[in-house]
Amino acid sequence: QEKVQQSPESLIVPEGAMVSLNCSFSDSASQSIWWYQQHPGKGPKALISIFSNGNKKEGRLTVYLNRASLHVSLHIKDSQPSDSAVYLCAVKATGGNNKLTFGQGTVLSVIP
Amino acid sequence: DPKIIQKPKYLVAVTGSEKILICEQYLGHNAMYWYRQSAKKPLEFMFSYSYQKLMDNQTASSRFQPQSSKKNHLDLQITALKPDDSATYFCASSRRDRNTLYFGAGTRLSVL
Repeated sequence: QEKVQQSPESLIVPEGAMVSLNCSFSDSASQSIWWYQQHPGKGPKALISIFSNGNKKEGRLTVYLNRASLHVSLHIKDSQPSDSAVYLCAVKATGGNNKLTFGQGTVLSVIP
Repeated sequence: DPKIIQKPKYLVAVTGSEKILICEQYLGHNAMYWYRQSAKKPLEFMFSYSYQKLMDNQTASSRFQPQSSKKNHLDLQITALKPDDSATYFCASSRRDRNTLYFGAGTRLSVL
């Protein structure tokens, strides 16, 4: 069964800082890795996904995937107070059914 | 306007009772899901439906029964409620079973 571990558990940064979040997973055959953002009292919102080794950039977000080391990271450039939320790493298994295995999340606080 | 509506937002139940959690999506998606988020546990996949047919069930207990009366509805019936069932239940949908998941705001269930 897929296991997803995220670090750190929480992070406090000043506004404008670069944020780096880490995620390790157990199955190298996983189809894709997703990052979700969850604000208090809300459902998770998909931010970015990656399938192939390497990196992918979308706006202030960059994600890096290394399948050999079973590691993925999310970097948020020029962080804003509105980025304060829980960030969830999710791994999608091969095959259909869109079953995602989530990590415990990283709580990010961006201080003005 | 929220495109995935979950009702009610909060629900309190007594042990042994039965409740139905409502989910309607107005995104035109063909696949719908239930996930559960318990205290101190990661978000956990429960069920997936595609074109109103059950595709995957990761819930060990038959006390949890999804019900799809319409293409854009996927309700969740929970019988013989236990305190361990206390959690936030999220409904999600996607265009097909391999695409981005969109989550509702959740129903927070407390079983006393």
